[in-house]
Amino acid sequence: RKEVEQDPGPFNVPEGATVAFNCTYSNSASQSFFWYRQDCRKEPKLLMSVYSSGNEDGRFTAQLNRASQYISLLIRDSKLSDSATYLCVVMMNTGFQKLVFGTGTRLLVSP
Amino acid sequence: SAVISQKPSRDICQRGTSLTIQCQVDSQVTMMFWYRQQPGQSLTLIATANQGSEATYESGFVIDKFPISRPNLTFSTLTVSNMSPEDSSIYLCSVQSQGNTEAFFGQGTRLTVV
Repeated sequence: RKEVEQDPGPFNVPEGATVAFNCTYSNSASQSFFWYRQDCRKEPKLLMSVYSSGNEDGRFTAQLNRASQYISLLIRDSKLSDSATYLCVVMMNTGFQKLVFGTGTRLLVSP
Repeated sequence: SAVISQKPSRDICQRGTSLTIQCQVDSQVTMMFWYRQQPGQSLTLIATANQGSEATYESGFVIDKFPISRPNLTFSTLTVSNMSPEDSSIYLCSVQSQGNTEAFFGQGTRLTVV
């Protein structure tokens, strides 16, 4: 079983749609959780951290369910510029703060 | 934040040769990380590079194949040795912020082995 699993997509949605991505992780000792965005042929960049209480940043909402080892990202009012791959990332304490990346979910927003 | 300059950005290499990738960070960092991202896949950690000590390699990666140097707190190199087509991938260096709340990446090196 992969340490971090995501639906690879692609998710094809029209502008203005709401789309949700899910992620599960296998190591219950995981400490911190993140969503990264990776544009085509670019390096990943942090989109947002994920907290147990849930957090929101504009059109983006992230949720963490530690009991179910499940992380989600909700994007409201999708824009063309949201088209990218969204990586679920889990940090583990293995002597150093190791990041484990999911395979990513590809989002395509069309006019 | 951290700004990382990685080069080369891309290269096409003959099998059996070696390529050295360089990463320069605009601030001093304790640990630098090297990742591989194969086509359609996510990032896989190759090794962690600490200044003044040998790099720590993840399962499936060995020093003979991926030697790493870390001569100071702002610079590191990764060499891909004796390349084969299976080594064709994107290689990224990374650092993590104080408190490990964010990872910053170089622009990546797109390697094609023919």
